[in-house]
Amino acid sequence: DSGVTQTPKHLITATGQRVTLRCSPRSGDLSVYWYQQSLDQGLQFLIQYYNGEERAKGNILERFSAQQFPDLHSELNLSSLELGDSALYFCASSASGGALEQFFGPGTRLTVL
Amino acid sequence: AQRVTQPEKLLSVFKGAPVELKCNYSYSGSPELFWYVQYSRQRLQLLLRHISRESIKGFTADLNKGETSFHLKKPFAQEEDSAMYYCALSGSGGSYIPTFGRGTSLIVHP
Repeated sequence: DSGVTQTPKHLITATGQRVTLRCSPRSGDLSVYWYQQSLDQGLQFLIQYYNGEERAKGNILERFSAQQFPDLHSELNLSSLELGDSALYFCASSASGGALEQFFGPGTRLTVL
Repeated sequence: AQRVTQPEKLLSVFKGAPVELKCNYSYSGSPELFWYVQYSRQRLQLLLRHISRESIKGFTADLNKGETSFHLKKPFAQEEDSAMYYCALSGSGGSYIPTFGRGTSLIVHP
């Protein structure tokens, strides 16, 4: 599958814990975007990386961080988890740094108990 | 601040009826606007973007800068159009922060 992949599909953890979500972009895409989708907030842009560098920052909490590695895969780290962090986390990729067309992954559903 | 508003959470129509999903935006510069669609059990995918002025699956959307709108239209809805539709805005000129609306669920009844 040359599309965007995300692991894990589901994650259940407890408050106060730390988790790492992983994203592999489409082959050839240099840009990775992370989004959080919760019922009351819709799809919220968190952060974008382009070719290893942070390109744009959205509503990302200080407890959250991300990075993009030389092989272009990206990880989103969520720490000191709270109940309100329960959401679907999507990764998307695009060929360029501009958000002209993004290809989305299937998402990781995070449940914080 | 840039903002995208989709005033309808749910739009329910019968097959063959015209459909218009509303999208209004707020952006100080020249935005790039998109419609994304998510069919049941599928990924979010790009439906169309204003710069390409194309018709995809019978859908069109015209950017109206005066009314700051980018409504999605289809003259005759089909059952397979049932999905979640998101309007999205991306800044231009170096600011590419994407902003999505909260989505409109379209249900097309047979």
